[in-house]
Amino acid sequence: RKEVEQDPGPFNVPEGATVAFNCTYSNSASQSFFWYRQDCRKEPKLLMSVYSSGNEDGRFTAQLNRASQYISLLIRDSKLSDSATYLCVVIGSGGSNYKLTFGKGTLLTVNP
Amino acid sequence: DGGITQSPKYLFRKEGQNVTLSCEQNLNHDAMYWYRQDPGQGLRLIYYSQIVNDFQKGDIAEGYSVSREKKESFPLTVTSAQKNPTAFYLCASRLQGPGQPQHFGDGTRLSIL
Repeated sequence: RKEVEQDPGPFNVPEGATVAFNCTYSNSASQSFFWYRQDCRKEPKLLMSVYSSGNEDGRFTAQLNRASQYISLLIRDSKLSDSATYLCVVIGSGGSNYKLTFGKGTLLTVNP
Repeated sequence: DGGITQSPKYLFRKEGQNVTLSCEQNLNHDAMYWYRQDPGQGLRLIYYSQIVNDFQKGDIAEGYSVSREKKESFPLTVTSAQKNPTAFYLCASRLQGPGQPQHFGDGTRLSIL
């Protein structure tokens, strides 16, 4: 099993749609989780951290399920500007807390 | 403004040449990282450093070298031993400890002439 796996995508949705991405991780001791957004030919930018209790930022909701070892990102009322690649990131714990593992990303295209 | 500065934005390498990519941060972050991204692919870790004068190999270190003489700076040298250097190179930094995200520079695109 890969350390971090994401939905293969690509996702093509109409404006206004709700879309959800999942990301599974293999290390049960992982401590920290994030979603990043990467636009074409640009650097990844932090979208949001993922907390155990779940967290929301406007149209974006992130959730963590430790028992099943996955994180999710829900985007409501999709905008054209949401088109990007979404990367999940997991940070190991203890001696490996320096190492971040990135998923390969899921491409989202929001269509007019 | 605080941030991470990578330079140059575009770089061309001749065969047999070593080239160095610059990465400077003024965020007072301890840890710094270099990644490579190929078209349509995920990020792959080349080298990372948790503290000045110390660095560790990542998953694809062959053909690359780094130094960390100052906290703010983590230059990456792509040596002639790296036979397929064409890629998008990203530098990142973060504070140590759980819950701390990485922050990225805006990248350097390296191509072979």
